[in-house]
Amino acid sequence: EAQVTQNPRYLITVTGKKLTVTCSQNMNHEYMSWYRQDPGLGLRQIYYSMNVEVTDKGDVPEGYKVSRKEKRNFPLILESPSPNQTSLYFCASSPRDSANYGYTFGSGTRLTVV
Amino acid sequence: DQQVKQNSPSLSVQEGRISILNCDYTNSMFDYFLWYKKYPAEGPTFLISISSIKDKNEDGRFTVFLNKSAKHLSLHIVPSQPGDSAVYFCAATGTASKLTFGTGTRLQVTL
Repeated sequence: EAQVTQNPRYLITVTGKKLTVTCSQNMNHEYMSWYRQDPGLGLRQIYYSMNVEVTDKGDVPEGYKVSRKEKRNFPLILESPSPNQTSLYFCASSPRDSANYGYTFGSGTRLTVV
Repeated sequence: DQQVKQNSPSLSVQEGRISILNCDYTNSMFDYFLWYKKYPAEGPTFLISISSIKDKNEDGRFTVFLNKSAKHLSLHIVPSQPGDSAVYFCAATGTASKLTFGTGTRLQVTL
């Protein structure tokens, strides 16, 4: 089944404790992206990657890191999480020419930073 | 600066009637517009899209209309069904790597 898999689905952590949210896709998509969803703000792009070793900042990159060492994986790293990073996170992927199909999204990771 | 706006946070429609969800945008460089549907505890799923060179695209019960001069698009669902109850996000893109989303409209289809 074609899908984007994120782990974990739920995570509660303490301020300052480094964490990684994993994302993997099995569709051989070139593009991958991370979004966060917050009430009243919709989905905002954190980082995106157009191919292996090619990443760039989205609209809200502060406090996050990403890497794209393999085509299928795009982990999101929070080096020192803070309470304002409490949010619902989505990983997504798309083929190169997908402007009219958009991204395929994972099921989300709900992160709480206390 | 919100480049894609959905000004109605919620909408309630009776089963069988038409649902109309609206979206406005400010960036004239956007060349594709998409609608996503999101159920609780799931990721958004692609519903329908439209290119900026068209003014209408239809897929079954779902039709998207684009008015470029007004920078406005709308999603029509006819007839509305209880399973359509979800949050609907409008999104726009100028490149495949970046989707800019609106804040969402929660649609409730009542019996």
